[in-house]
Amino acid sequence: DTGVSQNPRHKITKRGQNVTFRCDPISEHNRLYWYRQTLGQGPEFLTYFQNEAQLEKSRLLSDRFSAERPKGSFSTLEIQRTEQGDSAMYLCASSSSGDTQYFGPGTRLTVL
Amino acid sequence: GENVEQHPSTLSVQEGDSAVIKCTYSDSASNYFPWYKQELGKRPQLIIDIRSNVGEKKDQRIAVTLNKTAKHFSLHITETQPEDSAVYFCAALLPGGATNKLIFGTGTLLAVQP
Repeated sequence: DTGVSQNPRHKITKRGQNVTFRCDPISEHNRLYWYRQTLGQGPEFLTYFQNEAQLEKSRLLSDRFSAERPKGSFSTLEIQRTEQGDSAMYLCASSSSGDTQYFGPGTRLTVL
Repeated sequence: GENVEQHPSTLSVQEGDSAVIKCTYSDSASNYFPWYKQELGKRPQLIIDIRSNVGEKKDQRIAVTLNKTAKHFSLHITETQPEDSAVYFCAALLPGGATNKLIFGTGTLLAVQP
């Protein structure tokens, strides 16, 4: 499968725990995006990388959230001290130099 | 900031009928408008997109129209089939700065009745 992949697909955690998600973009795509999707809503932008540089972060991304893309390939999204309000689907997307973004299958986070 | 409104939130049609979903965006600088189909538990999949220098684009049973003056764009599905049943999201690209950030509508649940 040469599409965007994400791991894990599902994560259940207790409030206060830290979680980390991984995204592997389509190879050679230099742009990578993280979105969050809650039930009944469209995806909401969280952050954007061009190669290894994080160029924009949404105000939705509190200081408990951090994202990295150390070598300009895969990316990780970490949430520290999870809260029940963090429960959502976390989607990753990638694109080349154009506008078209291709999404991964997402990581569904449930915070108990 | 940019806002995208999408209507209707739910749409039920009979197989073979047409379906139309409409979106309105607020930032006149937006220049790229993709449509995604999302089946339950699956990733959003791009089905068609349109750029601001084009008024209409068609791909088999799917077409998208754009009215830049009114800041409206619409998805048209003809000869609907049960496998078209899904949630459809419109989006607008917010240009400027370093980011190609998509702003999504709230989605339309399309149910095609056999």
